[in-house]
Amino acid sequence: SAVISQKPSRDICQRGTSLTIQCQVDSQVTMMFWYRQQPGQSLTLIATANQGSEATYESGFVIDKFPISRPNLTFSTLTVSNMSPEDSSIYLCSVEDRAPTDTQYFGPGTRLTVL
Amino acid sequence: QKEVEQNSGPLSVPEGAIASLNCTYSDRGSQSFFWYRQYSGKSPELIMSIYSNGDKEDGRFTAQLNKASQYVSLLIRDSQPSDSATYLCAVKRTGGYNKLIFGAGTRLAVHP
Repeated sequence: SAVISQKPSRDICQRGTSLTIQCQVDSQVTMMFWYRQQPGQSLTLIATANQGSEATYESGFVIDKFPISRPNLTFSTLTVSNMSPEDSSIYLCSVEDRAPTDTQYFGPGTRLTVL
Repeated sequence: QKEVEQNSGPLSVPEGAIASLNCTYSDRGSQSFFWYRQYSGKSPELIMSIYSNGDKEDGRFTAQLNKASQYVSLLIRDSQPSDSATYLCAVKRTGGYNKLIFGAGTRLAVHP
């Protein structure tokens, strides 16, 4: 499976600021995803990062709040904008394996605390 | 009704016993099913995937799928304290792009 890295691994931010999280994969992948895991909760898909086009956002998530870039097949960024304490979560990048399997593998995550 | 349902636990089993984790899903057309293990403070790691009705075994782990009952389970034989974690069931919807829906997870505690 692909090796996925995320930066930063954790951060503490002030209300009203923005943070950009990077996701790097060691091989080219078609599908990349961004998830959020709030404290004590399961994973919620934020968006699918599409290479060369706008990300596809899930219900409840908007581009102004969570802009995503996907400049190539190995890299993506997620920005959490105008942060509030409710944005304190773990943010996870995942990639989908090549056919014939359709398994998603997760990066190590970014633990964000907003004060 | 939640799309993927799991008992939150904790499920407590003694070391060496069989742990049985259950998951039901609502989308009858779902085709792909996954079990992930998540240790506290870590990201989810894949344990098993299953696509066809029946059992699939991998070491101490067995995944069971029953599409008619919309039910998928994970059995862990000879449970070890190191198996103590949250187990997430995930189901892939049919059609459109490849979206995984996660259950809330079941916390497993294996005690010596």
